[in-house]
Amino acid sequence: GQQVMQIPQYQHVQEGEDFTTYCNSSTTLSNIQWYKQRPGGHPVFLIQLVKSGEVKKQKRLTFQFGEAKKNSSLHITATQTTDVGTYFCARGSSNTGKLIFGQGTTLQVKP
Amino acid sequence: GAVVSQHPSWVICKSGTSVKIECRSLDFQATTMFWYRQFPKQSLMLMATSNEGSKATYEQGVEKDKFLINHASLTLSTLTVTSAHPEDSSFYICSAGGPVKPQHFGDGTRLSIL
Repeated sequence: GQQVMQIPQYQHVQEGEDFTTYCNSSTTLSNIQWYKQRPGGHPVFLIQLVKSGEVKKQKRLTFQFGEAKKNSSLHITATQTTDVGTYFCARGSSNTGKLIFGQGTTLQVKP
Repeated sequence: GAVVSQHPSWVICKSGTSVKIECRSLDFQATTMFWYRQFPKQSLMLMATSNEGSKATYEQGVEKDKFLINHASLTLSTLTVTSAHPEDSSFYICSAGGPVKPQHFGDGTRLSIL
């Protein structure tokens, strides 16, 4: 149905290594949003993707939206300890602010 | 600074108590707010959509008589967990924004029922 599947659940990397998390939907997404939640904190908006094949960059973060608008990815280049947290993708509604979250990927970075 | 304020941050109370959580949009009007619940090491699960001036819309499996939502003004929504029990212990988070704007989340409320 409306679920968004996100993998992997956990990822441990050495500082400086790259990291990628993936989201997949069985149905076409109106838009997909990415959030970061630090331990003990609340989700913080990172980006929203709307267009088919869209690619957006924020410094070391690269966000992609699939051509079919059914999948998305977040790639972090050269991770730093400040990247630690859980990254969620979320299916957005086309006409409300309702979000359906993926399971999240928790990133641990070893210094 | 914060654009959505949630209060209280922590609540510890006895089983059977009703607990009210407030969510305020600080510098914008929100006709719609959302309430989520998050158990440890799990994702955020949408509980309900709070609609200003009308009844909330609950997600499947969420008891509306258990989780009372009131959205009496354009800047305030409240969630009341009635007759709370230990299984209701969780992290409750609200969000507000707009249909085409990103959602801003409150800091969340950690509810512990003894």
